Amino acid sequence: DIQMTQSPSSLSASVGDRVTITCRASQTISRYLNWYQQKPGKAPQILIYAASSLQSGVPPRFSVSRSGTDFTLTISSLQPEDFATYYCQQSYNTPLTFGGGTKVEIK
Amino acid sequence: QVQLQESGPGLVKPSETLSLTCTVSGGSINSYYWSWIRQPPGKGLEWIGYIYYSGSTNYNPSLKSRVTMSVDTSKNQFSLKLTAVTAADTAVYYCARLTYDSSGYSLDYWGQGTLVTVSS
Repeated sequence: DIQMTQSPSSLSASVGDRVTITCRASQTISRYLNWYQQKPGKAPQILIYAASSLQSGVPPRFSVSRSGTDFTLTISSLQPEDFATYYCQQSYNTPLTFGGGTKVEIK
Repeated sequence: QVQLQESGPGLVKPSETLSLTCTVSGGSINSYYWSWIRQPPGKGLEWIGYIYYSGSTNYNPSLKSRVTMSVDTSKNQFSLKLTAVTAADTAVYYCARLTYDSSGYSLDYWGQGTLVTVSS
């Protein structure tokens, strides 16, 4: 199985801050990485697929960069609706595996 | 807009079988893969497996010996059975549509989730 390691597990930030979340795969997955956002009591929603393609309706303040097996999700200016937990998921092969999640909280 | 809705018992006794059904509306179950994912309270996401509309399946090896998925295209439904449950199987269970294309596997539509508690 491909292991996905996310960091940090949580962070506190203020509205308007730039936030970065990192996801590392245990082996090469090319660009086969998705990001999901989950709000309390709700199902996850896909934000970004194929490493850098924004799902329809996702604002451009979300972006992803890649270096080898490391992927970084950046929120350029944190908005109130962005406070949530974010998960990466490798889409390279099965079993599909997720990172442990990063909870973005209000400072 | 595709919508998914999980249904089934919220309480299952240890050693018994967990059974859930996902009903798909707003679109056909045909030509897609359909997945189950679970999330223990306060923890992360675990992929359980998928079923193609034709009936072919792919299960997570960690659960493979206990999982069976089935599909009923006439009802636009697919189902999950997990046998010999223990407290470790207590989780919110989600059904989702799995799109598989040149971008890999993406879970693009999710049900709201249903909490299943394993307890006597």
